Amino acid sequence: EPEVTQTPSHQVTQMGQEVILRCVPISNHLYFYWYRQILGQKVEFLVSFYNNEISEKSEIFDDQFSVERPDGSNFTLKIRSTKLEDSAMYFCASSLDRVGVAYGYTFGSGTRLTVV
Amino acid sequence: QKEVEQDPGPLSVPEGAIVSLNCTYSNSAFQYFMWYRQYSRKGPELLMYTYSSGNKEDGRFTAQVDKSSKYISLFIRDSQPSDSATYLCAMNSNSGYALNFGKGTSLLVTP
Repeated sequence: EPEVTQTPSHQVTQMGQEVILRCVPISNHLYFYWYRQILGQKVEFLVSFYNNEISEKSEIFDDQFSVERPDGSNFTLKIRSTKLEDSAMYFCASSLDRVGVAYGYTFGSGTRLTVV
Repeated sequence: QKEVEQDPGPLSVPEGAIVSLNCTYSNSAFQYFMWYRQYSRKGPELLMYTYSSGNKEDGRFTAQVDKSSKYISLFIRDSQPSDSATYLCAMNSNSGYALNFGKGTSLLVTP
């Protein structure tokens, strides 16, 4: 069964450093997303990406965050200057249709980001 | 008021029991309702989705949506230890891209 692949599975970084989280969505999917889950809290939407541009972003997704689909297969989330409160599990997801109402989203296993 | 509310549990049931999981929501624009299962240190996995009101059944799982009460449910029949996981409800409107998740209910099915 097709998978969304995320790397690395765990990343530790110092406060103020830039991090790039990487994802390989399912190849025929058209919509791409980043979500995050702070320990003990709900899964929160960050950004959606369609047709090579951001289609929606949340209040969390401020100027410190950016997304890119550099080569038609990878999808990345960059955090320019990490803060302690950025520590969370970051999930990449992809879907064939908007919201995944036909077949659902497929989520990756996540990257656990720890900012020290 | 939070958009999506879900009792975090934990909920512990014996094997074979019927499990009822619920969410309430406040946004009347929500039209798409989903249940995801999440195992520890894994991403959410779609179990069921329903459009608008009504019931949907898939094997041991039944999803119900009552839009008039802004209340959704997931029933698991003949629960198995392998059903032990966190169950997340999620929903969206016709126009947005973002899924709105509940906090998740932790379920433990004991042999």
